[in-house]
Amino acid sequence: GAVVSQHPSWVICKSGTSVKIECRSLDFQATTMFWYRQFPKQSLMLMATSNEGSKATYEQGVEKDKFLINHASLTLSTLTVTSAHPEDSSFYICSASKRVRQPQHFGDGTRLSIL
Amino acid sequence: GESVGLHLPTLSVQEGDNSIINCAYSNSASDYFIWYKQESGKGPQFIIDIRSNMDKRQGQRVTVLLNKTVKHLSLQIAATQPGDSAVYFCAGHGGSQGNLIFGKGTKLSVKP
Repeated sequence: GAVVSQHPSWVICKSGTSVKIECRSLDFQATTMFWYRQFPKQSLMLMATSNEGSKATYEQGVEKDKFLINHASLTLSTLTVTSAHPEDSSFYICSASKRVRQPQHFGDGTRLSIL
Repeated sequence: GESVGLHLPTLSVQEGDNSIINCAYSNSASDYFIWYKQESGKGPQFIIDIRSNMDKRQGQRVTVLLNKTVKHLSLQIAATQPGDSAVYFCAGHGGSQGNLIFGKGTKLSVKP
């Protein structure tokens, strides 16, 4: 149990394009979902925490208008990278948990490459 | 401040040997810790967790030890196998919303 699906797994697009990444909890309802960014050979850096039905909480230094998060249901959260540029290229990973302070279960990530 | 860090960036062990991966944390208020395994190109996979009211927890071939006195966490893998090769992260709960703070990661390589 506790499967999280992330889509797409890989995307390449031109600079200036907006890219939407979906995160779904397949077999449980996720009160909270998290979005991370990971650069090669580095650890995961939390970008934002998303609670169903409310606005996401962004970490310091993460631009809200650049990384739009929507958590419209207990099984789906989306991250939209708006007007993406090459410096936005990274591995984006989502996670979901049933309740606060419960184990987070991760998707398999989305590799975003902006040309 | 809150931080979770790892002592060693890489660890190489012989197949069949036991592996020990260490982690230190700085926030004494952290009450929940998790070890994750991340294979190349994939998301982190939950291995085992421990709450601060415990000092040891065992799973299948894995044991987590928590020493709150020195703020140290370790993951022991028994009879390490090639399939255990991955990057291992410790993470601690440091925020009010249940967000995790991840350590830098240790890359475990298992030699056949």
